[in-house]
Amino acid sequence: DAKTTQPPSMDCAEGRAANLPCNHSTISGNEYVYWYRQIHSQGPQYIIHGLKNNETNEMASLIITEDRKSSTLILPHATLRDTAVYYCIVSNSGAGSYQLTFGKGTKLSVIP
Amino acid sequence: DGGITQSPKYLFRKEGQNVTLSCEQNLNHDAMYWYRQDPGQGLRLIYYSQIVNDFQKGDIAEGYSVSREKKESFPLTVTSAQKNPTAFYLCASSMGQGYQPQHFGDGTRLSIL
Repeated sequence: DAKTTQPPSMDCAEGRAANLPCNHSTISGNEYVYWYRQIHSQGPQYIIHGLKNNETNEMASLIITEDRKSSTLILPHATLRDTAVYYCIVSNSGAGSYQLTFGKGTKLSVIP
Repeated sequence: DGGITQSPKYLFRKEGQNVTLSCEQNLNHDAMYWYRQDPGQGLRLIYYSQIVNDFQKGDIAEGYSVSREKKESFPLTVTSAQKNPTAFYLCASSMGQGYQPQHFGDGTRLSIL
């Protein structure tokens, strides 16, 4: 699976959009981009995933660049409950291994 | 509500004892997984199972064992052979088809006394 690079930490003002970047320059054509978040002492929560088109659900939007080498997770109106560690994962689940490799992620702090 | 239930939330055992962590899902998912998380670290895959009565080792299977006798259940046994078992253990499940995302339980924190 391709490796990802994320900033170790970010701050965001409550009510503003949080834009979390992820670099995955070695991504291959059949690898998906997944985003999860983890609040301390809880299991990771699935947020969104995509292959090449931009995706939106009730939690967030995922913007993938045309060359697929980077992506941005957007939380449109951040709240204090969005404070968590956010993980960007690239995975070739179709190869049969089904393994998600979690790195260090980005610690997002939403500030009142 | 549909989801993944891990029990217990906290578990304490004496050194040298085997201990079994429970994971049950009612999402009708085919695939189930066990991960281990150490403080400040990412998740590492212990075992996974794509169908009943079949499972594969992950990156750190030594000292662990699993069974998959029912679709809903994937218990993990931490044996006395596991050198450093104190950790946060996470169970996940997915449709197991194509690129469906994995969904996680709330974890079991195991401490060896």
